[in-house]
Amino acid sequence: DQQVKQNSPSLSVQEGRISILNCDYTNSMFDYFLWYKKYPAEGPTFLISISSIKDKNEDGRFTVFLNKSAKHLSLHIVPSQPGDSAVYFCAAETGAGSYQLTFGKGTKLSVIP
Amino acid sequence: NAGVMQNPRHLVRRRGQEARLRCSPMKGHSHVYWYRQLPEEGLKFMVYLQKENIIDESGMPKERFSAEFPKEGPSILRIQQVVRGDSAAYFCASSPDRALQETQYFGPGTRLLVL
Repeated sequence: DQQVKQNSPSLSVQEGRISILNCDYTNSMFDYFLWYKKYPAEGPTFLISISSIKDKNEDGRFTVFLNKSAKHLSLHIVPSQPGDSAVYFCAAETGAGSYQLTFGKGTKLSVIP
Repeated sequence: NAGVMQNPRHLVRRRGQEARLRCSPMKGHSHVYWYRQLPEEGLKFMVYLQKENIIDESGMPKERFSAEFPKEGPSILRIQQVVRGDSAAYFCASSPDRALQETQYFGPGTRLLVL
């Protein structure tokens, strides 16, 4: 049973436009959410996170939105740059004594110059 | 570079051999996590360790796999009698003293190929 779902395996966006990556979850115990970016043959790089007590967190070009009632979060990148082309993973944590992250399968973002 | 270090980056083993993967956490971090990524999949949690203690090994296969994080030295993920299905990328992450909602930082991974 996949508790964190990224239903779009890939996304293509023009440079300068907004990229929106989506993530849905089923476990209502998740209270902390993270986005990681991954290039081929490298480890995931932390991008931005959000606690369940918030509905928005912003860091430069990256903004994460959380809709708890819909169990949905999204990552907005604006403006998109060619260097943003990578696989983006959504991850979630319950924090209730176990700190394991549960990951989605990832969305491959291609930013076209 | 004070990031999470893993070695080797690539490891080839024949079926039945042992694989040892090493992870040195970021400076100041005392918590280590191991994850495995199969092709076209997300990362799957295996084990969470602190110095000399296994805190959560709920994601680790019961047989052939073991992990340790000794008082001195790196964390080791050990796979005995490897099989082809063990071929995957193994990532280590670390975090500082554990508080709620602490970010995990990942190493570059070890890519294990079992022939």
